[in-house]
Amino acid sequence: GAVVSQHPSRVICKSGTSVKIECRSLDFQATTMFWYRQFPKQSLMLMATSNEGSKATYEQGVEKDKFLINHASLTLSTLTVTSAHPEDSSFYICSAAGVGNTGELFFGEGSRLTVL
Amino acid sequence: GQNIDQPTEMTATEGAIVQINCTYQTSGFNGLFWYQQHAGEAPTFLSYNVLDGLEEKGRFSSFLSRSKGYSYLLLKELQMKDSASYLCAVNTGTASKLTFGTGTRLQVTL
Repeated sequence: GAVVSQHPSRVICKSGTSVKIECRSLDFQATTMFWYRQFPKQSLMLMATSNEGSKATYEQGVEKDKFLINHASLTLSTLTVTSAHPEDSSFYICSAAGVGNTGELFFGEGSRLTVL
Repeated sequence: GQNIDQPTEMTATEGAIVQINCTYQTSGFNGLFWYQQHAGEAPTFLSYNVLDGLEEKGRFSSFLSRSKGYSYLLLKELQMKDSASYLCAVNTGTASKLTFGTGTRLQVTL
């Protein structure tokens, strides 16, 4: 299957700082990537849809100025958590659509963010 | 809105069979996925159903009834390593945009 790589896998930062998470499709081009957030023992919640060369589409309730998404190339999307607060601590997972018509998503390894 | 429901937790014995149900009410439907997720890891793909019926893949099978908005994942010959969360997700028809259910945490015991 297609490979999606996410970096960093773990990050700890101080409250008020910004953190950037990268998501790369390694062996295919992804015009669309998705960013999910997952709190402990909960399911994945879609935050935004990242479209190459255009602005991201955010889900209701997700602050676009706080969670900056950039999809500058067909293989890279980045999520920047700005002015992070402890409540932003979570597991962030990116995904990209696979080749074909099934709509299957391939997920990155996830990034665990801890804001102190 | 989108609504996808699964039981929160299930427990089953090693070697047994377990069925995890998923009901959905979504604005669109272009296929249903099941993913397995171990704690602290990303989800991994298990199965995909877009037509009614049963899809079998080794120890895992998935069933879909579109008219009932219902799916289940069947795990046979349970192994300890099957202890994980199982996520039901619906492609609502917009470019692989998946909406995930609440997830079912399965605990396999001896």
